[in-house]
Order: sequence, then C-alpha cells, then structure tokens
Amino acid sequence: AQTVTQSQPEMSVQEAETVTLSCTYDTSESDYYLFWYKQPPSRQMILVIRQEAYKQQNATENRFSVNFQKAAKSFSLKISDSQLGDAAMYFCAYIPNSGYALNFGKGTSLLVTP
Amino acid sequence: NAGVTQTPKFRILKIGQSMTLQCTQDMNHNYMYWYRQDPGMGLKLIYYSVGAGITDKGEVPNGYNVSRSTTEDFPLRLELAAPSQTSVYFCASSYGTSGSRVQYFGAGTRLSVL
Repeated sequence: AQTVTQSQPEMSVQEAETVTLSCTYDTSESDYYLFWYKQPPSRQMILVIRQEAYKQQNATENRFSVNFQKAAKSFSLKISDSQLGDAAMYFCAYIPNSGYALNFGKGTSLLVTP
Repeated sequence: NAGVTQTPKFRILKIGQSMTLQCTQDMNHNYMYWYRQDPGMGLKLIYYSVGAGITDKGEVPNGYNVSRSTTEDFPLRLELAAPSQTSVYFCASSYGTSGSRVQYFGAGTRLSVL
C-alpha cells in the first residue's frame, strides 16, 4: 500500500518569511513522481511543484523549492518570501510510474499573517 | 484556456435522486479521472479512463458509474444518491504514463445529499 503523510495539520508564517511543509510517503516502487498542490478557498487544485524520483536534483519553481530525500522517503516544500496569496491548503501527492491514481496526504493549512 | 471544465459547481440532491456530473477537457489528454474530497481529507480516486471507451474503477467506486464516449468528455453518474456521497468532486486529466504525470484539475462540484 502507498500512503502519504503530512504531519502538520496547520502552519503559520509571517509575510516575507520562510516556511517548510513536511511530507513523508511509503512505497516499494523505485520509479515515481511527487507533487505539491495548492488549494485556495476557491477550491481549485493548483500544481505548485513536481519532482521525479530518479532525479537527485531538488525541483524549484520561483519561491517554491523542495527537499527530496529518496532514502528517507521525505518530500518537504519550502516557501520563501511568503505572500498573503500563499495562504491555502497544501497537499502532497505521490504517483508510481506504473499507476494511475494520485495518492494524497490529508493536507496542511497554511496561514500567512501580515 | 478552458482546461478542465466541470458543471455544475454546486448541487443539492435528495436521497435516492440521480444526477450526472459533467466534465470536459480541451487539452487532448488521453487520461481522465474522477476524485472525491471529503472534509479534512485528501482526494480519493473514484474512476479513471485511459481513452475513449475504456474505464476502470479506482479506490472508491461504489455508487457511481462513468462512461467515456469521446476524448473530451468524462461524465460521472450517481444513480441513487446517499448522504455518504456528500462531498466535493473533482475531475482531472493528463497525458498519460509517458508524460510528466501532471494531472490538471477542474474547479470541483460541491454536492450535498439530504
């Protein structure tokens, strides 16, 4: 079975500061992909960043970067220079290359304070 | 830039009623998916399709049916609505297993069964 665990139900960060959201996953697969999706109050699921397991280099997208530790099965998201618009639920998701379904964690609610 | 379009956005059903949630995508994706999101949880796969005429069950298929007659459309049918089907439903699409594995989501349908 493949499971995704987000151990922080809620996180808070001040504007312009940096915050890290944690995610661990369990799998016996060697080839897979990991994602962070953002869900603002509008409910829309928005892709934030994507990581391929066979790539050792951590993915970055502007202010968003990941720390991918394959041996530890850890995939954390770092948001730098936080903005009010970053406030949302953040979901970590996993998909094996052989599978079809994204496996989601329960999400972390991020609050950004002025 | 329509992407994945879902209708309706909101719906209230009485127990035992039926309805169809519509989903269409204009990205020429082969793969399409239906997920449900219960409060405080990540998304769970209901059904998926790898192409026109081909569908398969996901993790939580009971109480639902799907069809895929065209590449663009993937409707989800609820035959006898039950309170347990109160949820937010997301349709998604992707290129398939040879691509980036990114799934693009619609804006969701909030369904209440009373």
